[in-house]
Amino acid sequence: SQKIEQNSEALNIQEGKTATLTCNYTNYSPAYLQWYRQDPGRGPVFLLLIRENEKEKRKERLKVTFDTTLKQSLFHITASQPADSATYLCALLGTDKLIFGTGTRLQVFP
Amino acid sequence: DSGVTQTPKHLITATGQRVTLRCSPRSGDLSVYWYQQSLDQGLQFLIQYYNGEERAKGNILERFSAQQFPDLHSELNLSSLELGDSALYFCASSVWGTGGTGELFFGEGSRLTVL
Repeated sequence: SQKIEQNSEALNIQEGKTATLTCNYTNYSPAYLQWYRQDPGRGPVFLLLIRENEKEKRKERLKVTFDTTLKQSLFHITASQPADSATYLCALLGTDKLIFGTGTRLQVFP
Repeated sequence: DSGVTQTPKHLITATGQRVTLRCSPRSGDLSVYWYQQSLDQGLQFLIQYYNGEERAKGNILERFSAQQFPDLHSELNLSSLELGDSALYFCASSVWGTGGTGELFFGEGSRLTVL
Protein backbone atom coordinates (compact mmCIF):
# COMPACT_ATOMS: atom_id res chain seq x y z
CA SER A 1 0.00 0.00 0.00
CA GLN A 2 1.03 3.62 -0.44
CA LYS A 3 2.52 5.29 2.60
CA ILE A 4 4.16 8.55 3.59
CA GLU A 5 5.97 8.28 6.88
CA GLN A 6 7.33 10.98 9.08
CA ASN A 7 8.71 10.47 12.54
CA SER A 8 5.71 10.82 14.84
CA GLU A 9 7.93 11.46 17.83
CA ALA A 10 8.72 15.08 18.53
CA LEU A 11 12.20 16.29 17.75
CA ASN A 12 13.71 18.40 20.52
CA ILE A 13 16.88 20.33 19.77
CA GLN A 14 18.82 23.19 21.23
CA GLU A 15 18.81 26.62 19.68
CA GLY A 16 21.58 27.07 17.15
CA LYS A 17 21.76 23.41 16.17
CA THR A 18 20.64 21.90 12.88
CA ALA A 19 17.29 20.12 12.88
CA THR A 20 16.86 17.26 10.42
CA LEU A 21 13.43 15.83 9.68
CA THR A 22 12.77 12.77 7.57
CA CYS A 23 10.03 11.89 5.10
CA ASN A 24 9.92 8.37 3.68
CA TYR A 25 7.45 7.11 1.14
CA THR A 26 6.54 3.77 -0.41
CA ASN A 27 4.72 2.87 -3.61
CA TYR A 28 4.74 6.40 -4.94
CA SER A 29 6.74 7.88 -7.80
CA PRO A 30 6.21 11.56 -7.14
CA ALA A 31 7.29 14.16 -9.65
CA TYR A 32 7.91 16.49 -6.72
CA LEU A 33 7.71 16.74 -2.98
CA GLN A 34 6.71 19.71 -0.85
CA TRP A 35 7.32 20.73 2.75
CA TYR A 36 4.91 22.75 4.86
CA ARG A 37 5.00 24.24 8.32
CA GLN A 38 1.95 24.12 10.58
CA ASP A 39 1.52 25.97 13.85
CA PRO A 40 -1.08 24.72 16.37
CA GLY A 41 -4.62 25.49 15.25
CA ARG A 42 -3.42 27.15 12.04
CA GLY A 43 -3.37 26.14 8.41
CA PRO A 44 -0.20 24.68 6.87
CA VAL A 45 2.13 27.14 5.17
CA PHE A 46 4.19 26.15 2.13
CA LEU A 47 7.95 26.23 2.59
CA LEU A 48 9.74 24.46 -0.24
CA LEU A 49 9.19 22.29 -3.29
CA ILE A 50 11.78 19.93 -4.74
CA ARG A 51 11.39 18.12 -8.03
CA GLU A 52 12.42 14.52 -8.74
CA ASN A 53 15.37 15.64 -10.85
CA GLU A 54 16.71 17.93 -8.12
CA LYS A 55 18.95 16.57 -5.42
CA GLU A 56 18.87 19.57 -3.16
CA LYS A 57 17.03 22.86 -2.70
CA ARG A 58 17.82 25.72 -0.37
CA LYS A 59 15.95 28.71 0.94
CA GLU A 60 17.60 30.85 3.60
CA ARG A 61 18.17 28.50 6.57
CA LEU A 62 16.17 25.68 5.03
CA LYS A 63 17.53 22.84 2.93
CA VAL A 64 15.66 19.94 1.39
CA THR A 65 17.10 16.85 -0.25
CA PHE A 66 15.24 14.33 -2.35
CA ASP A 67 16.54 10.82 -3.00
CA THR A 68 14.21 8.96 -5.35
CA THR A 69 16.26 5.76 -4.99
CA LEU A 70 15.91 5.71 -1.22
CA LYS A 71 12.40 7.18 -1.53
CA GLN A 72 13.28 9.73 1.07
CA SER A 73 13.40 13.46 1.60
CA LEU A 74 15.34 15.18 4.35
CA PHE A 75 14.43 18.64 5.62
CA HIS A 76 17.10 20.62 7.43
CA ILE A 77 16.83 23.83 9.44
CA THR A 78 20.24 25.28 10.21
CA ALA A 79 20.92 27.63 13.13
CA SER A 80 17.51 26.72 14.53
CA GLN A 81 15.59 29.21 16.64
CA PRO A 82 12.73 28.82 19.13
CA ALA A 83 10.51 30.48 16.51
CA ASP A 84 11.10 27.43 14.29
CA SER A 85 9.10 25.31 16.75
CA ALA A 86 6.16 23.90 14.81
CA THR A 87 4.96 20.76 13.03
CA TYR A 88 6.52 20.14 9.64
CA LEU A 89 4.61 18.22 6.99
CA CYS A 90 5.88 16.65 3.82
CA ALA A 91 3.51 16.21 0.91
CA LEU A 92 3.74 14.51 -2.44
CA LEU A 93 1.58 14.17 -5.47
CA GLY A 94 -0.24 10.84 -5.51
CA THR A 95 -2.21 9.68 -8.54
CA ASP A 96 -4.36 12.76 -8.62
CA LYS A 97 -4.05 14.47 -5.28
CA LEU A 98 -1.53 15.95 -2.88
CA ILE A 99 -1.02 13.54 0.01
CA PHE A 100 0.39 14.70 3.33
CA GLY A 101 2.44 12.89 5.91
CA THR A 102 1.33 13.08 9.51
CA GLY A 103 4.08 15.55 10.32
CA THR A 104 6.90 15.81 12.80
CA ARG A 105 6.72 18.24 15.69
CA LEU A 106 9.92 20.22 16.18
CA GLN A 107 10.64 21.91 19.50
CA VAL A 108 13.65 24.23 19.67
CA PHE A 109 14.60 25.20 23.18
CA PRO A 110 16.89 28.08 24.21
CA ASP B 1 -2.46 35.88 5.54
CA SER B 2 -2.78 33.24 2.79
CA GLY B 3 -5.66 34.98 1.08
CA VAL B 4 -7.93 31.96 1.58
CA THR B 5 -10.96 32.70 3.74
CA GLN B 6 -12.90 30.07 5.61
CA THR B 7 -16.09 30.50 7.61
CA PRO B 8 -17.11 29.79 10.26
CA LYS B 9 -13.95 29.52 12.33
CA HIS B 10 -15.66 27.48 15.03
CA LEU B 11 -18.82 25.45 14.95
CA ILE B 12 -20.44 23.37 17.68
CA THR B 13 -23.38 21.19 16.79
CA ALA B 14 -25.14 18.00 17.78
CA THR B 15 -25.04 14.52 16.30
CA GLY B 16 -27.40 14.05 13.39
CA GLN B 17 -27.24 17.69 12.34
CA ARG B 18 -26.02 19.19 9.07
CA VAL B 19 -23.50 22.00 8.63
CA THR B 20 -22.03 23.92 5.73
CA LEU B 21 -18.45 25.16 5.66
CA ARG B 22 -17.54 27.91 3.27
CA CYS B 23 -14.30 28.74 1.51
CA SER B 24 -13.22 31.66 -0.66
CA PRO B 25 -10.00 30.92 -2.54
CA ARG B 26 -7.21 33.35 -3.26
CA SER B 27 -7.96 35.75 -6.05
CA GLY B 28 -7.08 34.08 -9.34
CA ASP B 29 -6.86 30.53 -7.99
CA LEU B 30 -9.05 28.07 -9.86
CA SER B 31 -8.56 25.00 -7.68
CA VAL B 32 -10.08 24.45 -4.28
CA TYR B 33 -9.19 21.53 -2.05
CA TRP B 34 -10.80 20.30 1.16
CA TYR B 35 -8.84 18.47 3.84
CA GLN B 36 -9.88 17.06 7.19
CA GLN B 37 -7.45 17.05 10.09
CA SER B 38 -8.09 15.14 13.26
CA LEU B 39 -5.61 14.40 16.04
CA ASP B 40 -4.97 10.80 15.09
CA GLN B 41 -5.30 11.04 11.30
CA GLY B 42 -3.27 13.96 10.09
CA LEU B 43 -4.37 15.87 7.02
CA GLN B 44 -6.76 13.71 4.99
CA PHE B 45 -7.65 14.77 1.47
CA LEU B 46 -11.38 14.93 0.87
CA ILE B 47 -12.04 16.47 -2.52
CA GLN B 48 -10.74 18.92 -5.14
CA TYR B 49 -12.57 21.20 -7.55
CA TYR B 50 -11.07 22.97 -10.50
CA ASN B 51 -12.97 25.81 -12.11
CA GLY B 52 -16.30 24.46 -10.95
CA GLU B 53 -15.77 20.79 -11.73
CA GLU B 54 -14.82 17.96 -9.44
CA ARG B 55 -11.26 16.96 -10.24
CA ALA B 56 -10.15 14.48 -7.57
CA LYS B 57 -11.75 12.65 -4.72
CA GLY B 58 -10.28 11.18 -1.57
CA ASN B 59 -11.91 9.12 1.14
CA ILE B 60 -14.84 11.46 1.43
CA LEU B 61 -17.84 9.97 3.20
CA GLU B 62 -21.14 9.75 1.38
CA ARG B 63 -22.61 11.99 4.10
CA PHE B 64 -20.26 14.74 2.91
CA SER B 65 -20.62 16.67 -0.31
CA ALA B 66 -19.03 19.71 -1.82
CA GLN B 67 -19.37 22.06 -4.72
CA GLN B 68 -17.58 24.98 -6.31
CA PHE B 69 -19.67 27.87 -7.55
CA PRO B 70 -19.19 30.06 -10.63
CA ASP B 71 -17.50 32.73 -8.50
CA LEU B 72 -15.07 29.95 -7.43
CA HIS B 73 -16.01 29.88 -3.78
CA SER B 74 -16.67 26.41 -2.43
CA GLU B 75 -18.88 24.85 0.19
CA LEU B 76 -18.45 21.59 2.06
CA ASN B 77 -21.68 20.10 3.38
CA LEU B 78 -21.51 17.63 6.23
CA SER B 79 -24.73 15.83 7.14
CA SER B 80 -25.92 13.25 9.69
CA LEU B 81 -23.00 14.31 11.80
CA GLU B 82 -21.32 11.85 14.10
CA LEU B 83 -18.96 12.39 17.01
CA GLY B 84 -16.07 11.20 14.85
CA ASP B 85 -16.62 14.03 12.41
CA SER B 86 -15.22 16.46 14.97
CA ALA B 87 -12.07 17.83 13.34
CA LEU B 88 -10.43 20.81 11.72
CA TYR B 89 -11.55 21.23 8.14
CA PHE B 90 -9.15 23.07 5.90
CA CYS B 91 -9.71 24.59 2.54
CA ALA B 92 -6.76 25.27 0.28
CA SER B 93 -6.45 26.83 -3.13
CA SER B 94 -3.94 26.84 -5.94
CA VAL B 95 -3.59 28.28 -9.38
CA TRP B 96 -3.20 24.92 -11.03
CA GLY B 97 -5.31 21.85 -11.32
CA THR B 98 -4.20 18.34 -10.50
CA GLY B 99 -0.67 17.62 -11.57
CA GLY B 100 0.42 21.20 -11.40
CA THR B 101 3.39 21.94 -9.21
CA GLY B 102 1.93 24.92 -7.50
CA GLU B 103 1.92 25.19 -3.76
CA LEU B 104 -1.30 25.04 -1.84
CA PHE B 105 -2.45 28.06 0.12
CA PHE B 106 -4.42 27.03 3.17
CA GLY B 107 -7.08 28.87 5.07
CA GLU B 108 -7.14 28.99 8.84
CA GLY B 109 -9.62 26.16 9.04
CA SER B 110 -13.07 25.57 10.47
CA ARG B 111 -13.08 23.72 13.77
CA LEU B 112 -16.12 21.49 13.99
CA THR B 113 -17.16 20.00 17.30
CA VAL B 114 -19.97 17.47 17.31
CA LEU B 115 -21.53 16.83 20.71
